Amino acid sequence: GAVVSQHPSWVICKSGTSVKIECRSLDFQATTMFWYRQFPKQSLMLMATSNEGSKATYEQGVEKDKFLINHASLTLSTLTVTSAHPEDSSFYICSARPGLAHRETQYFGPGTRLLVL
Amino acid sequence: KQEVTQIPAALSVPEGENLVLNCSFTDSAIYNLQWFRQDPGKGLTSLLLIQSSQREQTSGRLNASLDKSSGRSTLYIAASQPGDSATYLCALTSGNTPLVFGKGTRLSVIA
Repeated sequence: GAVVSQHPSWVICKSGTSVKIECRSLDFQATTMFWYRQFPKQSLMLMATSNEGSKATYEQGVEKDKFLINHASLTLSTLTVTSAHPEDSSFYICSARPGLAHRETQYFGPGTRLLVL
Repeated sequence: KQEVTQIPAALSVPEGENLVLNCSFTDSAIYNLQWFRQDPGKGLTSLLLIQSSQREQTSGRLNASLDKSSGRSTLYIAASQPGDSATYLCALTSGNTPLVFGKGTRLSVIA
């Protein structure tokens, strides 16, 4: 149980285009979803937290107009990287949690590798 | 603000050795602590989860301990194998924060 999927697993795009990444909880309802970003040989950095039906809360330094997050249902969250540039190339990982409490376990997706040319 | 530090950043050992990876954190009011494994270019594999009320967890050759008072956790790997080579990440939740990750320890087990 507690499976989280991401699609696509990798994507290559041209600079200036927008890319949408999907995160789905397959066998549970995810009240809260998180988006992390990982640059090469770096750790995971939290970008934003989203609760179903509410606006996402972004971490300091993350541009909310560039990284659009939608969490319209209890099983799906999307991250759209708008007007992507080479510096946005990274590994994006989502995680999902059944409830609101931080003490609950987060379940991670397999990640999406983005390369912007 | 919770900060998670992992030492060493990289470690290379011969096959068969027992080894210890260290994780320290600044806010001892944690809910739980997890150890993850990440292979190059891949996602995360959860290895062990320790709740704040627990002192240790074991799974096969892995044993993780938690000492909240000193702000430390260790991951012990017994009889290391080349297949254990990966980056090991420590992460924890505390207060009003979701999982916060350390920078990881890159482990190489040499056959």
